[in-house]
Amino acid sequence: GENVEQHPSTLSVQEGDSAVIKCTYSDSASNYFPWYKQELGKGPQLIIDIRSNVGEKKDQRIAVTLNKTAKHFSLHITETQPEDSAVYFCAASSGYTGNQFYFGTGTSLTVIP
Amino acid sequence: DAGVTQSPTHLIKTRGQQVTLRCSPKSGHDTVSWYQQALGQGPQFIFQYYEEEERQRGNFPDRFSGHQFPNYSSELNVNALLLGDSALYLCASSASVATNEKLFFGSGTQLSVL
Repeated sequence: GENVEQHPSTLSVQEGDSAVIKCTYSDSASNYFPWYKQELGKGPQLIIDIRSNVGEKKDQRIAVTLNKTAKHFSLHITETQPEDSAVYFCAASSGYTGNQFYFGTGTSLTVIP
Repeated sequence: DAGVTQSPTHLIKTRGQQVTLRCSPKSGHDTVSWYQQALGQGPQFIFQYYEEEERQRGNFPDRFSGHQFPNYSSELNVNALLLGDSALYLCASSASVATNEKLFFGSGTQLSVL
């Protein structure tokens, strides 16, 4: 089955700096890659997603890039703010697994004011 | 627009007991999935329900079962609880059973097995 690895496990940045979280996947059939933000005591919230026919997608301060050849994708947050502090999860799924999403182990992001 | 709602928010059980968790999907969604999230880990897929049937199942034992009702709400049942079942149980809904539909999560039920 699919294996998603996520790095780093923890990340601290100064407010206003950029943060980058990287994920790799093993199944070349995976074609949908969402990113979720989970705050303490809450469920994961979808913040951005990308499909395999697109190399990059941006939404305000958040962007995601996908390299299908290398089987890795990354989340980029620019101009970080304290409210960006949370745990971020990447995930992957393919048509072969229906809607079964495989998640990474998470990155705890702390933005220092 | 109501999002995914789950109940209860917290639950404490002892080994060997049975538990039922409940979920109402986001308005307009007809497909419900359940995930288990252990402390410090990413969510793991348990199963998915559509049209009141289990459509897909992850690597979980038969002690985990579910149900979907005509109004699309769903229940997750876990029998013969083990200490290792302690986790956050997340319900997620999507607009259809088609592959790679956006998945929206509820806040979860925190289950503690003593």
